[in-house]
Amino acid sequence: EAGVAQSPRYKIIEKRQSVAFWCNPISGHATLYWYQQILGQGPKLLIQFQNNGVVDDSQLPKDRFSAERLKGVDSTLKIQPAKLEDSAVYLCASSKSSLGVNEQFFGPGTRLTVL
Amino acid sequence: QKEVEQNSGPLSVPEGAIASLNCTYSDRGSQSFFWYRQYSGKSPELIMFIYSNGDKEDGRFTAQLNKASQYVSLLIRDSQPSDSATYLCAVIAWDNQGGKLIFGQGTELSVKP
Repeated sequence: EAGVAQSPRYKIIEKRQSVAFWCNPISGHATLYWYQQILGQGPKLLIQFQNNGVVDDSQLPKDRFSAERLKGVDSTLKIQPAKLEDSAVYLCASSKSSLGVNEQFFGPGTRLTVL
Repeated sequence: QKEVEQNSGPLSVPEGAIASLNCTYSDRGSQSFFWYRQYSGKSPELIMFIYSNGDKEDGRFTAQLNKASQYVSLLIRDSQPSDSATYLCAVIAWDNQGGKLIFGQGTELSVKP
């Protein structure tokens, strides 16, 4: 079974530029998550999708971050414009459902550096 | 703001010893608790979950939960250098948008040969 795929793996941009990340979850997983992990901290949930609908985006900085999962499969996360404090690893995860005890499988992450 | 607290470490133990990792959480309504392992530069991977008070054992790993004290721990017996990683405690916290996984900051474990 293929795992969660993410690209790119690394990205370096200057502040005020825009950037986009892509995620393809495990086949058949209805729930997709985007996390931000700043160095030395645990992952923080940015947005959760159930199929192609948003379940929770309460911690997404909506003035600069956006995400979509148009066909309920892969997803993109965009930052526009980027700030220095956006430097982090962006992790995508998926699970079969959002109910009960369900394991979230993480992708390898995209390491973003904002200069 | 629902929180999960862990000692950041580093926790250093000799090979073969028991490593004890601790976590406290603020949301009394939490029912599900997870331990993830994250090697440097890698993504988190689930090693155990627990949702009943008491102990749950899986090989060299034992998770312990005390809901009254809002405390969950992970014991690693016969620690190996390959166990050296950051261990993340995570709790499902519920709000009006449903349940979400809240992570602690992680405890870095170093097992010395």
